[in-house]
Amino acid sequence: GENVEQHPSTLSVQEGDSAVIKCTYSDSASNYFPWYKQELGKRPQLIIDIRSNVGEKKDQRIAVTLNKTAKHFSLHITETQPEDSAVYFCAAPYSGGYQKVTFGTGTKLQVIP
Amino acid sequence: GAGVSQSPRYKVAKRGQDVALRCDPISGHVSLFWYQQALGQGPEFLTYFQNEAQLDKSGLPSDRFFAERPEGSVSTLKIQRTQQEDSAVYLCASTQGSSYNSPLHFGNGTRLTVT
Repeated sequence: GENVEQHPSTLSVQEGDSAVIKCTYSDSASNYFPWYKQELGKRPQLIIDIRSNVGEKKDQRIAVTLNKTAKHFSLHITETQPEDSAVYFCAAPYSGGYQKVTFGTGTKLQVIP
Repeated sequence: GAGVSQSPRYKVAKRGQDVALRCDPISGHVSLFWYQQALGQGPEFLTYFQNEAQLDKSGLPSDRFFAERPEGSVSTLKIQRTQQEDSAVYLCASTQGSSYNSPLHFGNGTRLTVT
């Protein structure tokens, strides 16, 4: 199976600063790494994903980097805004031929206005 | 509808009662997943369907948990003789294909409280 560890568990930043969340995984065959954002009482929603044929992917203020050798990937949020406050989950698939995704334990991000 | 729909949104059950949670995935989505999310934790895999076939039920905590998707669309997660440790949010998700690099589309979940 897949073991995913996520750090930190909580993160507070001032509005406008950057936030970085890191995840490590165990299954070297994994090659798809999504990040989900979950606002309080709402469903998790995909915000960005990366496949192992690239090392970095950006979408406006959000970027994800992947280091397959070290088996870790990170979420970077720049110019944080209060609406970025939420719980963020990384995930990695179990390479069993279909999508059985293992989630990290989550990072609660608080952006202080 | 356009998204994954789950009902009920909230369910309170007395210990020992049976409950049934419904998931209506996005139309045409082949894959359907059930996850259990305890307070302050990430979603934990319960079971996976590809069309009507239940391909993996390794995450179901006990034989009190049962899931079905008889016609390959709507799915029901049933919990028999509920226990307090079953209290959690139960999330359903679907994906269009069966490959592992398709993003999950989640429903809003059913918050189950067992008293």
